[in-house]
Amino acid sequence: NAGVTQTPKFQVLKTGQSMTLQCAQDMNHEYMSWYRQDPGMGLRLIHYSVGAGITDQGEVPNGYNVSRSTTEDFPLRLLSAAPSQTSVYFCASSGRGGYTFGSGTRLTVV
Amino acid sequence: GQQVMQIPQYQHVQEGEDFTTYCNSSTTLSNIQWYKQRPGGHPVFLIQLVKSGEVKKQKRLTFQFGEAKKNSSLHITATQTTDVGTYFCAGGAASGSRLTFGEGTQLTVNP
Repeated sequence: NAGVTQTPKFQVLKTGQSMTLQCAQDMNHEYMSWYRQDPGMGLRLIHYSVGAGITDQGEVPNGYNVSRSTTEDFPLRLLSAAPSQTSVYFCASSGRGGYTFGSGTRLTVV
Repeated sequence: GQQVMQIPQYQHVQEGEDFTTYCNSSTTLSNIQWYKQRPGGHPVFLIQLVKSGEVKKQKRLTFQFGEAKKNSSLHITATQTTDVGTYFCAGGAASGSRLTFGEGTQLTVNP
């Protein structure tokens, strides 16, 4: 039982590049979400999904896209990376209780 | 929208001292959860409270949900160096709804 798996763990992008952060869970959780964590700002919700085929925006969705074609996977796409998107990104899933977080992706945009 | 505020932002204690972090919501919550994040790590779920006035304990940690379901606290008795990390509260407006996280309280423990 791997829980929530995020890849890659580290990434450096140039401004304007695009990329996809991968997130997969093997707990059959319906709810999945993406957060970004910046110093002094806690965890801010980017996008979330309550089940396959259903996604919605969180607090800071601009510059990011998501899709949920399966229960297991919830990738986050950066369309055109900007330095303001330098952050640590966490994926989380939930059944009926607490969230299980992945180990995070540390992204630097130069 | 719903806001969850957490104080203090930072707390430095000597090993053996007690520690408390407080969480306040702008709206009535359905449930509140607490997480711990070690330095360089990811948040780890500690507990969920759902009932008005609920108090739960996990060894040296005591969690409380206010009567009005708008505030909560986490109290650690006799801190240890293993308690170092950032503690987050997260409130849900309705059962199964998305959570709004507080900004966290960063705890350091001097041995």
